[in-house]
Amino acid sequence: ETGVTQSPTHLIKTRGQQVTLRCSSQSGHNTVSWYQQALGQGPQFIFQYYREEENGRGNFPPRFSGLQFPNYSSELNVNALELDDSALYLCASSWTGEGEQYFGPGTRLTVT
Amino acid sequence: AQSVTQPDIHITVSEGASLELRCNYSYGATPYLFWYVQSPGQGLQLLLKYFSGDTLVQGIKGFEAEFKRSQSSFNLRKPSVHWSDAAEYFCAVGAENSGTYKYIFGTGTRLKVLA
Repeated sequence: ETGVTQSPTHLIKTRGQQVTLRCSSQSGHNTVSWYQQALGQGPQFIFQYYREEENGRGNFPPRFSGLQFPNYSSELNVNALELDDSALYLCASSWTGEGEQYFGPGTRLTVT
Repeated sequence: AQSVTQPDIHITVSEGASLELRCNYSYGATPYLFWYVQSPGQGLQLLLKYFSGDTLVQGIKGFEAEFKRSQSSFNLRKPSVHWSDAAEYFCAVGAENSGTYKYIFGTGTRLKVLA
């Protein structure tokens, strides 16, 4: 059974650019949640995807968007990058979103 | 509002000493509760979880946690700390809000272990 994988591992972008982060969910899981962990903070919920539709969103602006594909993998897109977007982005998969979510290793984004 | 509080930002203990990390939550229903550990530059590793049943939960690496509904707490304990336990620890509650189930994390407790 393959766990949750994320790519890339690290990424450096310039303010104003756009970035796409990718997540492959664990086998058998149909729900993907994305979290942002800023330095020195706990992870914060960005949004969740279920059956290729956004199923709930945290307090993040619309320039944070996502997709879920038929194989349940997911993308997180961030437009017009700001310095405060520098963080570890964690993807978590689960079955229907309840109970335990299984986290990937994260993508560390640095915005300069 | 749903929230998780970890009152201790930093804790320092000597190797071999006992450890207790505090976690309090605010959630109207019966919560799903979790403890994660994170080493510098790494992702989250699940230590233990509580869904229902026995309120004393055993986890990996010799950790345990006790769910106390009356106190809205889920404190993490270890009888004898090892130097390799130095890391950041996060408590989380699985919460449903408007049909979306998500984790709410505390701000973390950074553990330092003295040799």
